[in-house]
Amino acid sequence: DARVTQTPRDKVTEMGQEVTMRCQPILGHNTVFWYRQTMMQGLELLAYFRNRAPLDDSGMPKDRFSAEMPDATLATLKIQPSEPRDSAVYFCASGLYHSGTNTEAFFGQGTRLTVV
Amino acid sequence: AQSVAQPEDQVNVAEGNPLTVKCTYSVSGNPYLFWYVQYPNRGLQFLLKYITGDNLVKGSYGFEAEFNKSQTSFHLKKPSALVSDSALYFCAVRDPVKGSARQLTFGSGTQLTVLP
Repeated sequence: DARVTQTPRDKVTEMGQEVTMRCQPILGHNTVFWYRQTMMQGLELLAYFRNRAPLDDSGMPKDRFSAEMPDATLATLKIQPSEPRDSAVYFCASGLYHSGTNTEAFFGQGTRLTVV
Repeated sequence: AQSVAQPEDQVNVAEGNPLTVKCTYSVSGNPYLFWYVQYPNRGLQFLLKYITGDNLVKGSYGFEAEFNKSQTSFHLKKPSALVSDSALYFCAVRDPVKGSARQLTFGSGTQLTVLP
């Protein structure tokens, strides 16, 4: 049963600490998305990658957030330094893009981040 | 710019009754439209999508949605609601125009509660 795997599921950290969230996309998918979900803003696209290259990270605060794909099986989202306003659920999703079309995105279960 | 509106934050329906969750969209070209469901503490699960073809799309768990181009709507429906359908439902749109920098744009979500 192919699925997107995110770790950790829950993270509580102190303000100023570095946080790294990891995502394993579905094998064979070449597009990876990072979303943030909050009560106030709903689902926001932070960044997405295709074939490991960042295509759009305009939704991400550049001064503290960074997203990378070290290889095709791992995507990371890092916050340094973290702030209480970063508290949210962070979702990774993956999909397949080919011949000019995209499949639907498949979501992981999310990382619930709490910054105190 | 593409956008999605889910005008109802909350929909309550009695078990066994038909349910409708509303969605309207705005996009420059012909839209790709999606419905996702989110259960508590879980990621988003894909329900159904409209790309082209028949305006009535059937998806998982007995759900269906009707694409109405003139009304720019893509309402989610189910003939007979179950208590287990209670969840948060998200409508999403993608502008398939090549070169579009943004991927899925999500609505704000509608909390569906099915009462026993």
